[in-house]
Amino acid sequence: DTAVSQTPKYLVTQMGNDKSIKCEQNLGHDTMYWYKQDSKKFLKIMFSYNNKELIINETVPNRFSPKSPDKAHLNLHINSLELGDSAVYFCASSPGLNYGYTFGSGTRLTVV
Amino acid sequence: KNEVEQSPQNLTAQEGEFITINCSYSVGISALHWLQQHPGGGIVSLFMLSSGKKKHGRLIATINIQEKHSSLHITASHPRDSAVYICAVSGSGGANSKLTFGKGITLSVRP
Repeated sequence: DTAVSQTPKYLVTQMGNDKSIKCEQNLGHDTMYWYKQDSKKFLKIMFSYNNKELIINETVPNRFSPKSPDKAHLNLHINSLELGDSAVYFCASSPGLNYGYTFGSGTRLTVV
Repeated sequence: KNEVEQSPQNLTAQEGEFITINCSYSVGISALHWLQQHPGGGIVSLFMLSSGKKKHGRLIATINIQEKHSSLHITASHPRDSAVYICAVSGSGGANSKLTFGKGITLSVRP
């Protein structure tokens, strides 16, 4: 009955590979997000979707492509992985502006 | 300069002490959030504030909109409070608003 679930929890892959991270929320929230947490633990927004529509795209390389098949799912596909993509990626959801956020447990991506 | 500044960067306290963590921001906001992240763990939303004060158990969060400042207080601190505490602000840009994060403060509470 996890509210926001991400899979996989850990992902180790070689440079140049393509990988996906999945996120699902069962809270009925309209808005979903992807955040990246770097090695210094600093969090930064990547994408935001509201009801399957992209509303924020924060100067993320084109190799990153979010996909929202329905408002309960927001997946992140990454092409041609680079060493600098190594980070923890958090999915989150919210009922909307000025509501609290619920975060997934994170996906630790390591590119070797 | 980051739009959201937190101080101090690291904080060590003795069990039972009263702890205050500060957050200042330099942009217009619609709300401020306090988040908690345990080592190797996920992120938990503690509070969302747009004015005044909120209390939950031993945690109290306050915000002063005029001074663009918020504090998170922990009363009767316990080693399980050891975590990173992150302040984040929601912009005032309507539907396109996003969370902007501070760098977080690492709190260690010693038994």
